[in-house]
Amino acid sequence: ELKVEQNPLFLSMQEGKNYTIYCNYSTTSDRLYWYRQDPGKSLESLFVLLSNGAVKQEGRLMASLDTKARLSTLHITAAVHDLSATYFCAVGGTYKYIFGTGTRLKVLA
Amino acid sequence: SAVISQKPSRDICQRGTSLTIQCQVDSQVTMMFWYRQQPGQSLTLIATANQGSEATYESGFVIDKFPISRPNLTFSTLTVSNMSPEDSSIYLCSVDPLDGQAKQFFGPGTRLTVL
Repeated sequence: ELKVEQNPLFLSMQEGKNYTIYCNYSTTSDRLYWYRQDPGKSLESLFVLLSNGAVKQEGRLMASLDTKARLSTLHITAAVHDLSATYFCAVGGTYKYIFGTGTRLKVLA
Repeated sequence: SAVISQKPSRDICQRGTSLTIQCQVDSQVTMMFWYRQQPGQSLTLIATANQGSEATYESGFVIDKFPISRPNLTFSTLTVSNMSPEDSSIYLCSVDPLDGQAKQFFGPGTRLTVL
């Protein structure tokens, strides 16, 4: 059974600082996703990672995938308050996604 | 991409009643999914709904409790039957357009409170 774990679960950081969120999964998968969810809102797709070594960047966020280690990271560079949200990774294929536990990020001014 | 709408956006229901949630997509899609997100928690897949076949339910979810319809390629419904307070959650539908982007798009969700 596929299990997906994220850490940390909660992250409070100062503006301007860097930090990394980790996503570990238990079995081989061909896709890994990162989503953002603002309070009371639905999910917004951030990144799709499809192969070992894949790296994608958008603004202050960069996601990478190591399929051998079954690990993905979401790196935040020079955080700003607008990045405060809950971030989920999800692992799976075409027919099924399993979501991680989520990381609730709060960026303090 | 795909634009998804859900109805109702929220509802407050009495224990023992049922609620049907509608999901409408602006394009034809093969794969539709229903998720539950309990307060402060992650998303859990309830079932996969493909047009023309029975929905496939995940472990812990059964058709009698969560019947699903998928009458065409743009629409699906999820019914939460015989509700209890434990069913209070956000219910989200999502689609994978299988358009080569490898992205799954989510609806705005239905926030259900059961008293």
